[in-house]
Amino acid sequence: QKEVEQNSGPLSVPEGAIASLNCTYSDRGSQSFFWYRQYSGKSPELIMFIYSNGDKEDGRFTAQLNKASQYVSLLIRDSQPSDSATYLCAVTPNSGYALNFGKGTSLLVTP
Amino acid sequence: SQTIHQWPATLVQPVGSPLSLECTVEGTSNPNLYWYRQAAGRGLQLLFYSVGIGQISSEVPQNLSASRPQDRQFILSSKKLLLSDSGFYLCAWRATSDTQYFGPGTRLTVL
Repeated sequence: QKEVEQNSGPLSVPEGAIASLNCTYSDRGSQSFFWYRQYSGKSPELIMFIYSNGDKEDGRFTAQLNKASQYVSLLIRDSQPSDSATYLCAVTPNSGYALNFGKGTSLLVTP
Repeated sequence: SQTIHQWPATLVQPVGSPLSLECTVEGTSNPNLYWYRQAAGRGLQLLFYSVGIGQISSEVPQNLSASRPQDRQFILSSKKLLLSDSGFYLCAWRATSDTQYFGPGTRLTVL
């Protein structure tokens, strides 16, 4: 069973701070990595994807990938209360058609 | 642009009743389609995926079934619902980049 692990949280950060969300995966053959945001009662929405080692920035979001350590993270700069949600990490398996999802980290940004 | 629809949005059904959830995708052809279930406080569980009309792969043995009668239509069914079938059912389609996009979901409560 290929696994994707996330700390369930909740991770609490003050407004304006940097939130750091982490994810590890077990399948060394994984090639694509995704972060989804899920508000309570809503479906997951894609925030970012990353394929190569290093950093990828999009606005306030930065995804970081380290394939040697099998580790992917999401940084949210200048966190806002509207960022409060559950963040899901997803990884493509080495074979197959479906993403493997972590159980998500709950983020709470306090005013 | 691509759009994914699911209905109904919410459903309350008695134990032992049948189920039919529908998912349709617009703006793309021959998409890979997926059914996930998210139970309260749990992660996303892949139920079925389909790479084409009439082609269904089941990931978890249970009393649910899926069908793909048309290219952009994916249906989740059950002949007799169980209490454990309650959850948030999500349909997703996969873009060529491996990215999956989710529909709005159906909240099913089995009483």
